[in-house]
Amino acid sequence: QSVLTQPPSASGTPGQRVIISCSGSSSNIGGHTVNWYQQLPGTAPKLLIYSDNQRSSGVPDRFSASKSGTSASLAISGLQSDDEAYYYCAAWDDSLTGHMVFGGGTKLTVL
Amino acid sequence: QVQLQESGPGPVKPSETLSLTCTVSGGFIRNYYWSWIRQPPGKGLEWIGEIYNEGNTKYNPSLKSRVTISADRSKNNFSLRLNSVTAADSAIYYCARHVRSWGASYLDVWGKGTPVTVSS
Repeated sequence: QSVLTQPPSASGTPGQRVIISCSGSSSNIGGHTVNWYQQLPGTAPKLLIYSDNQRSSGVPDRFSASKSGTSASLAISGLQSDDEAYYYCAAWDDSLTGHMVFGGGTKLTVL
Repeated sequence: QVQLQESGPGPVKPSETLSLTCTVSGGFIRNYYWSWIRQPPGKGLEWIGEIYNEGNTKYNPSLKSRVTISADRSKNNFSLRLNSVTAADSAIYYCARHVRSWGASYLDVWGKGTPVTVSS
């Protein structure tokens, strides 16, 4: 059971816009910035978005993100076949002694 | 360009200690936070802990009693030790640079990961 909640799957056709949600609480998303990671099959995760809505170097502007209260979302527009991957949200959590928490991941399928 | 490479001795037997090292190239470990993350087969990511400047550590509460992260500035690497392992500790283990500044906290550079299997 992950601290941050993501839908297990999402899908879209090429060119479409897809949104992936991430829900948390006041101890994590509500009080800290959110990051998004992309994990292509068989590879290490890669930083996609940091500090709620800042694209990492080299990430196309088709990827955008936002946060409101204790929820965040990642939007991918102009969907392409090589966007097919797992997407994870993450944030710092203040509970106990403080630690990083991840969402369970969303498998994006490009139909 | 900073690159990270995990290394370890291979399979681990139940109840033994898992030991991994992350060697950093293209940059120095000082003045950065460095994290370990793991991913069990077919599952999501779990943050294990971090170290800053060889002495300051923070661990995932769920693993805290079994984890030690250390760093060696002279070798420009940092290490993970996980005691009393079970099959549930089988995973791909990643090391990553952990940027923490001005309220931000994110993992910007990752190693390729090393698989660890706990089996008798």
